[in-house]
Amino acid sequence: QVHLQGSGPGLVKPSGTLSLTCAVSGYSVSGPKWWGFVRQSPEKGLEWIGEIFHSGYTNYSPSFKSRVTLSLDKSKNEFSLKMTSVTAADTAFYYCTGTLDGEALGHWGQGTLVTVSS
Amino acid sequence: QSGLTQPPSVSAAPGQTVTISCSGSASDIANKYVSWYQQFPGTAPRLLIYDDEKRPSGSPDRFSGSKSGTSATLAITGLQTGDEADYFCKVGWVFGRGTKLTVL
Repeated sequence: QVHLQGSGPGLVKPSGTLSLTCAVSGYSVSGPKWWGFVRQSPEKGLEWIGEIFHSGYTNYSPSFKSRVTLSLDKSKNEFSLKMTSVTAADTAFYYCTGTLDGEALGHWGQGTLVTVSS
Repeated sequence: QSGLTQPPSVSAAPGQTVTISCSGSASDIANKYVSWYQQFPGTAPRLLIYDDEKRPSGSPDRFSGSKSGTSATLAITGLQTGDEADYFCKVGWVFGRGTKLTVL
C-alpha cells in the first residue's frame, strides 16, 4: 500500500519561497512512478504543478515552470517542491501525488493548506 | 492544452444512473487518456477511472468510463447517497473544473 504524507509550513510570506516535502511509505521512490504535486483552490480548481521520475527527469506545467523545482531524496524516500516568488494567488491546498499508470494519479497525500500572507 | 468542460452539477435519485461529461478538443481528449477522480469535502481526490475506462483496485464496478471523439463520460449506476461528491476529469496535465453530484 503506497502512502504519501505531505508536510511543510502552513504560512508563507509574499515574495517568499514555498517548500513542501512528501514522505513515501510502502513503495520506493526509485520505482517506476512519477511523483508530483497538485494544488486546489476555490478560484482555480485543481492545478497540476509538475512531476519527477526516479531518474531525476522532471515535467512542469507551463503555468509554474519559471518558479517551481521538484527534487527527489532517495535516501529518505521522499520528494519535495519549491515554489519561489509566491503571492496570495498561491494560497491553496497542496497535494503530493504518485502515478498509478501513465498519467493517472493513483496515490494522493492528505493535502497541506498553504496560506500566503504577511 | 485547452480547457476541459464539465457541467457544474448533476443530480439523480438513489438507484438511478447518472452521467457526467467532460468535453475537450482534438489536442487533448481525442488523443490522450482520460482519468476521473472523486472528492469528498475535506479529503484528497481519489482515482476512480484511468486510461478512459479502467478501474483501479477498490473502485466499485458501479463506476464506468467511456470516451468518444472529444468527449469522455463517467457513468454511475445504482446511485447511493454515499456517492455525493465532486467529480473531476483529467487529461494530460489539465483538470476539469469538477461536477458536484447530488443524490436526491
